Amino acid sequence: QKEVEQDPGPLSVPEGAIVSLNCTYSNSAFQYFMWYRQYSRKGPELLMYTYSSGNKEDGRFTAQVDKSSKYISLFIRDSQPSDSATYLCAMCVGAGANNLFFGTGTRLTVIP
Amino acid sequence: NAGVTQTPKFRVLKTGQSMTLLCAQDMNHEYMYWYRQDPGMGLRLIHYSVGEGTTAKGEVPDGYNVSRLKKQNFLLGLESAAPSQTSVYFCASSWTAGNQPQHFGDGTRLSIL
Repeated sequence: QKEVEQDPGPLSVPEGAIVSLNCTYSNSAFQYFMWYRQYSRKGPELLMYTYSSGNKEDGRFTAQVDKSSKYISLFIRDSQPSDSATYLCAMCVGAGANNLFFGTGTRLTVIP
Repeated sequence: NAGVTQTPKFRVLKTGQSMTLLCAQDMNHEYMYWYRQDPGMGLRLIHYSVGEGTTAKGEVPDGYNVSRLKKQNFLLGLESAAPSQTSVYFCASSWTAGNQPQHFGDGTRLSIL
């Protein structure tokens, strides 16, 4: 079993829709949770960063962490064609950790 | 401010050939990483470095070597390329440990025939 599971999609939504992207994980020691966005033929770029459980909002993006269920989510409100990309979740165990564990990514297309 | 720069962007090799991928960062980051990205596998850590002169193995280190002679550069070497090493390779850097946001380059697309 992989440490981090993510539905690869692809996911297609109309412009303006609310998008929900999710990851589950098996290691209860994970404390730091991130979402990266990767455009085609580009490197991943950090989108959201959260510590422990709870919600974090940044503009149209909201990240949720439910440590009791080992489940994290990224919500995109009022989705735009420019949001079309692959979204990767990532997590690590603590401040001294040397590496991140990534999900396989979910490919999102927002149709104008 | 270039961030993380990878060279080359594309390369085709024959089985058994060797090559070095170069990663340079201009953010004075301590930590640097090499990943490979394959369909259905996500990003997997090959090697990483926690500072100049240090290197350590990641999840999939076999067939690769690395060096960090200068703080800003991290080299990934393939001594004898195999078709299984066909992949997109990403370099990343971060201020300190793995819980810090990592900044990625745009990747090197490598095909081994």
